[in-house]
Amino acid sequence: EAGVAQSPRYKIIEKRQSVAFWCNPISGHATLYWYQQILGQGPKLLIQFQNNGVVDDSQLPKDRFSAERLKGVDSTLKIQPAKLEDSAVYLCASSEAGPSYEQYFGPGTRLTVT
Amino acid sequence: TQLLEQSPQFLSIQEGENLTVYCNSSSVFSSLQWYRQEPGEGPVLLVTVVTGGEVKKLKRLTFQFGDARKDSSLHITAAQPGDTGLYLCAGAGTSGTYKYIFGTGTRLKVLA
Repeated sequence: EAGVAQSPRYKIIEKRQSVAFWCNPISGHATLYWYQQILGQGPKLLIQFQNNGVVDDSQLPKDRFSAERLKGVDSTLKIQPAKLEDSAVYLCASSEAGPSYEQYFGPGTRLTVT
Repeated sequence: TQLLEQSPQFLSIQEGENLTVYCNSSSVFSSLQWYRQEPGEGPVLLVTVVTGGEVKKLKRLTFQFGDARKDSSLHITAAQPGDTGLYLCAGAGTSGTYKYIFGTGTRLKVLA
C-alpha cells in the first residue's frame, strides 16, 4: 500500500514570497491533517479535513495560510506572503475516519524562508 | 487549550541502559499514541493506548496509559543505537473529531 506522498521535499524562498505544498493521502482515508513542525518540537495542527470539509482550522494563520482538499482526496497548503518564522517542516497525515485514530505521515516538506 | 508536556526534553544514554519518557497533561484523552521520528522523515506510529491503566509491550518498549487517561509513559529496556530519535506522544480529544494534540517531544540519543 502506498504511503502519504508530499511534494516538494525541500523549498527555499525569500520572505514575502508565496509557496504551495501538495499532499496525496493514503487511498480511502477520509481524514487529512496538515501540521507545522518547528525544529526540535512536536507537530502543531494547522488544519484538519474530513473528506473535503474543514473540521478544525483554529490554529491556521488565516491572514497568510490557506488550504483546500480537492474532491476529498489531494490537498494543497499555501503560504502568502511567507515570513521568516514560517521556516519549518510541513507534515501531511491521513487516517481513516473512526475510533482507530491511527495517523500515517508523509515525509514532510522542509521550508526555509530567508 | 489541551497541552501535553514531555520529559525529559533531551536524553543521552549508553547502549544497554534503561530509560523512561513521560507524557503529562491536565486534560483527559480518549486515546494516546506514541510516535518515533527520525531526521528527514515523518513520525511513525509505535502504539495506541485507549483504556486507562492499559499496558502494551512492543519488544523492548513498554507503554502505559494512566488510570485517569491524562498521562502516559514509555519505558525502553536495554536501549540500542537504533532507538535514537525524537519520541512524540499525541493525545486524541474526547470530542469525537479525531483531532490530535502532540507533545513537546523527547530527543533520545543512544551511544554505542
